[in-house]
Amino acid sequence: EAGVTQFPSHSVIEKGQTVTLRCDPISGHDNLYWYRRVMGKEIKFLLHFVKESKQDESGMPNNRFLAERTGGTYSTLKVQPAELEDSGVYFCASSLDPRTVTDTQYFGPGTRLTVL
Amino acid sequence: AQSVTQLGSHVSVSEGALVLLRCNYSSSVPPYLFWYVQYPNQGLQLLLKYTSAATLVKGINGFEAEFKKSETSFHLTKPSAHMSDAAEYFCAVSHTGGFKTIFGAGTRLFVKA
Repeated sequence: EAGVTQFPSHSVIEKGQTVTLRCDPISGHDNLYWYRRVMGKEIKFLLHFVKESKQDESGMPNNRFLAERTGGTYSTLKVQPAELEDSGVYFCASSLDPRTVTDTQYFGPGTRLTVL
Repeated sequence: AQSVTQLGSHVSVSEGALVLLRCNYSSSVPPYLFWYVQYPNQGLQLLLKYTSAATLVKGINGFEAEFKKSETSFHLTKPSAHMSDAAEYFCAVSHTGGFKTIFGAGTRLFVKA
């Protein structure tokens, strides 16, 4: 069974440009999460989808970030326009049902974004 | 509110020595606690998870962690380090029905031959 995949693995862009990150969750996982790790600091929650609906987007830094999950399958995270402080590693995770004790979030390898 | 503190951004041990990675948490509700490991160029992998059953939790690759409520700690241990254990380790907290996982800053483990 394929795990969580993310594309691209690395992205280098200039300040002011737009970048779109993609996450493909494990098949059948309704719950999808985005996290970000900036400059070796802690990994921080960005948002959570249940199917195509945003359950919690309290971690989104500002309105330059837009996440979508059309059709409840893969998700995209767009940064427009990118700023220097957006550099970091963006992780995606998916899970079946976080309301259950046995639920586990499975993480992708991350996308390393560098804004110059 | 929930938070996690990992003591020591870097820990170095000799091969065969005890591994001890420290984690303290803060939570206003009964917590779920996790340890994740990240090997180079890979995603986060769940090592073990505490969900209020047994306080001593055994995970993969010979790791275990003990939940100590009185100390608000969830330290990760392994009796004998192996070179392949070199990675970055993250302690994290969540709660029942909580969709958001709060991570510590991570501890990078170095294993010397």
